[in-house]
Amino acid sequence: ETGVTQTPRHLVMGMTNKKSLKCEQHLGHNAMYWYKQSAKKPLELMFVYNFKEQTENNSVPSRFSPECPNSSHLFLHLHTLQPEDSALYLCASSQEEGTGATEAFFGQGTRLTVV
Amino acid sequence: QKEVEQDPGPLSVPEGAIVSLNCTYSNSAFQYFMWYRQYSRKGPELLMYTYSSGNKEDGRFTAQVDKSSKYISLFIRDSQPSDSATYLCAMTPVPGTSYGKLTFGQGTILTVHP
Repeated sequence: ETGVTQTPRHLVMGMTNKKSLKCEQHLGHNAMYWYKQSAKKPLELMFVYNFKEQTENNSVPSRFSPECPNSSHLFLHLHTLQPEDSALYLCASSQEEGTGATEAFFGQGTRLTVV
Repeated sequence: QKEVEQDPGPLSVPEGAIVSLNCTYSNSAFQYFMWYRQYSRKGPELLMYTYSSGNKEDGRFTAQVDKSSKYISLFIRDSQPSDSATYLCAMTPVPGTSYGKLTFGQGTILTVHP
């Protein structure tokens, strides 16, 4: 398995649906992140987890709900999304300082379309 | 004002050309600078990173940081069609913050044609 794996790669959902995005990292890192990449906009940091604890929520609407059951897995639960939430959702991981910091490694993303 | 400004292009150059990609930033707390490359339908991959002002070279790539001007550059020498991608600058304050908690530029779309 390569470094950071995201599933599904593509997702189409209606505004009333509930779905989840999954991310798994095989790098032994202790921090994981969700980013949103919309057309013609910079990547936006959504959530940060360090040692399974959420340390940052960048004013993300409550229709996005992250979950981090352990340091290798990260989920993003989606419900009652809007069409403007259509984007590429990227997961990343890194190793925090103390045991040797590393830069962030990204997964290939989930292309989400809300109809 | 955006924290990080990056010309989105698109930029089209012939094979073998020297490419210059640039970002400016406004937050003087940024000290750690990265360039990511993102191919179509892929996630970003780290290309180069620098921690201080000056130049860093890796093969055909040179990263340059000028903290006094809050300006960073990536130069690609002898560009190849395989360099065609979106190039993203990213930065973060260090130390004591997450290396994954990054502020990105919009990305520059580069096409190198044979």
